[in-house]
Amino acid sequence: EPEVTQTPSHQVTQMGQEVILRCVPISNHLYFYWYRQILGQKVEFLVSFYNNEISEKSEIFDDQFSVERPDGSNFTLKIRSTKLEDSAMYFCASRTDRRLYGYTFGSGTRLTVV
Amino acid sequence: DAKTTQPTSMDCAEGRAANLPCNHSTISGNEYVYWYRQIHSQGPQYIIHGLKNNETNEMASLIITEDRKSSTLILPHATLRDTAVYYCIVRPNNAGNMLTFGGGTRLMVKP
Repeated sequence: EPEVTQTPSHQVTQMGQEVILRCVPISNHLYFYWYRQILGQKVEFLVSFYNNEISEKSEIFDDQFSVERPDGSNFTLKIRSTKLEDSAMYFCASRTDRRLYGYTFGSGTRLTVV
Repeated sequence: DAKTTQPTSMDCAEGRAANLPCNHSTISGNEYVYWYRQIHSQGPQYIIHGLKNNETNEMASLIITEDRKSSTLILPHATLRDTAVYYCIVRPNNAGNMLTFGGGTRLMVKP
């Protein structure tokens, strides 16, 4: 069964450093997403991406965050200057069309900011 | 989006049916009921969805009441691997992009 692949599974970074989280969505999917989950809290939407541009973003997704699909297969989330409160699981997801049941999530990257 | 209410936690014996309720009394006519689950900090996994008819797939059954104000997800023979947080989400099928996750129900399947 096709999978969404995320790397690395765990990343530790110093506060203030830039970090890039990587995702390889399912190859025929057109819509791409990042969600995050702070330990013990709900899964929160960050951003959606379609046709090489951001289509929707939440209040969490401020100027410190950016997304890119650099080569047609990877989908990245960059945090420019990490803060302690950015520590969370970050999930990438993709789907083939706008129907909500089509989401496939990756297994996540645990980001720890120290 | 319609608000959903789920119990915080439930237990189920291995091999028995797990029945997870969800109340969505303000659901509107074009909103679907979706169920996802999250196993131990993995990414959420789609289970099933429905509009007004009962639905069944290889993972579960979804029973929606006639007035559509509540639904029940049924795992017919729960296994230890079904221990997870189960999320009931109500949204129109083509409305926008995001999934909005609530607190869900933490299902513990016990031997």
